[in-house]
Amino acid sequence: GAGVSQSPSNKVTEKGKDVELRCDPISGHTALYWYRQSLGQGLEFLIYFQGNSAPDKSGLPSDRFSAERTGGSVSTLTIQRTQQEDSAVYLCASSLAGGFSYNEQFFGPGTRLTVL
Amino acid sequence: GNSVTQMEGPVTLSEEAFLTINCTYTATGYPSLFWYVQYPGEGLQLLLKATKADDKGSNKGFEATYRKETTSFHLEKGSVQVSDSAVYFCALSNDYKLSFGAGTTVTVRA
Repeated sequence: GAGVSQSPSNKVTEKGKDVELRCDPISGHTALYWYRQSLGQGLEFLIYFQGNSAPDKSGLPSDRFSAERTGGSVSTLTIQRTQQEDSAVYLCASSLAGGFSYNEQFFGPGTRLTVL
Repeated sequence: GNSVTQMEGPVTLSEEAFLTINCTYTATGYPSLFWYVQYPGEGLQLLLKATKADDKGSNKGFEATYRKETTSFHLEKGSVQVSDSAVYFCALSNDYKLSFGAGTTVTVRA
């Protein structure tokens, strides 16, 4: 079956612009996660969705970052007024269920964001 | 909080050599432990996992044993191939959130 997909694969934007990153999880997966992979910080957790609710947003680095999930499926990560330090690869993952450490998370290919 | 420390790379090996990547962790409770792999141009994939002490995870010739007494989860493979060239990440989770190590780049030469 289809895996996790993300779009766009690459995004170049100018400082101060807003960007939207999209994630399509594996069909039937109720849990969805966003992570960020950057040179300075490694792989960091951003936010966790269970269904359409986000019980843990603790990893979002500032109030310029927000995310939503609709229909228990597609998720959008929005970054407002982008800064150069936002440049990173944004990874989305999904799992069949959430809340348990042993649930395997399946990762998408990522969106590479470059802020000029 | 949770943290994962893995040996720094890059690591360069010849084909059929033995590979070990060290991983130690700090965590509360009893986390699950994972090794993820990122092949060139591809996304992160789960390589193996262990969910309780003394469990051994294995896949594709790779093995790692959950050692609670030494808080370690070292990755080993007895005979590497060129196709094993990738970045390897050790990770842990207490609930739903994965905490990753910095990653180790492994290059296997023919």
